[in-house]
Amino acid sequence: KQEVTQIPAALSVPEGENLVLNCSFTDSAIYNLQWFRQDPGKGLTSLLLIQSSQREQTSGRLNASLDKSSGRSTLYIAASQPGDSATYLCAVRGGATNKLIFGTGTLLAVQP
Amino acid sequence: GAGVSQSPSNKVTEKGKDVELRCDPISGHTALYWYRQSLGQGLEFLIYFQGNSAPDKSGLPSDRFSAERTGGSVSTLTIQRTQQEDSAVYLCASITSGGLNEQFFGPGTRLTVL
Repeated sequence: KQEVTQIPAALSVPEGENLVLNCSFTDSAIYNLQWFRQDPGKGLTSLLLIQSSQREQTSGRLNASLDKSSGRSTLYIAASQPGDSATYLCAVRGGATNKLIFGTGTLLAVQP
Repeated sequence: GAGVSQSPSNKVTEKGKDVELRCDPISGHTALYWYRQSLGQGLEFLIYFQGNSAPDKSGLPSDRFSAERTGGSVSTLTIQRTQQEDSAVYLCASITSGGLNEQFFGPGTRLTVL
């Protein structure tokens, strides 16, 4: 059974810092991995999707890497801003029906 | 274009009542997923539709939960005889076949069972 873990559970950094969020999964047989952002009381916003054959994806100040063999992904946020404060979720997609298995999330607070 | 929409956005009900939650996926998206996000449980899969069929219902927590999809579009999640532990945010996502297969999520329905 696939299990997804995110570390740390919570993170507080001053504005301008670069930071890394970690995601690990137990079954490397995945189709892709998706990083999401969730603001309080809101739905999920997709940030980056990495296919199983890819090593990384970049969008603006965000860079996500994937090491499928070791079951790890990282989300790197450069020059963090207070507007980046949110919960960040990683999810892996696999199996016959391609449902997403989510991690428990990292609550990020960027202090101005 | 329009994203995934869900209604109602908030629903407060009394224990024992039935509720219906609606999801309108992105037009043309063939697959639709329901997830539940409850305090202490994180986000968990409930059911998957491909067209109007549900080949994976493995996440439905009990037989009080059911869902249907009609016309390959709108889906309804029904919870009968609601219990307090059903309180959660219910999220719907749709996906197109082929391409990146990225899942797009709706804003969710927050269900509170008193």
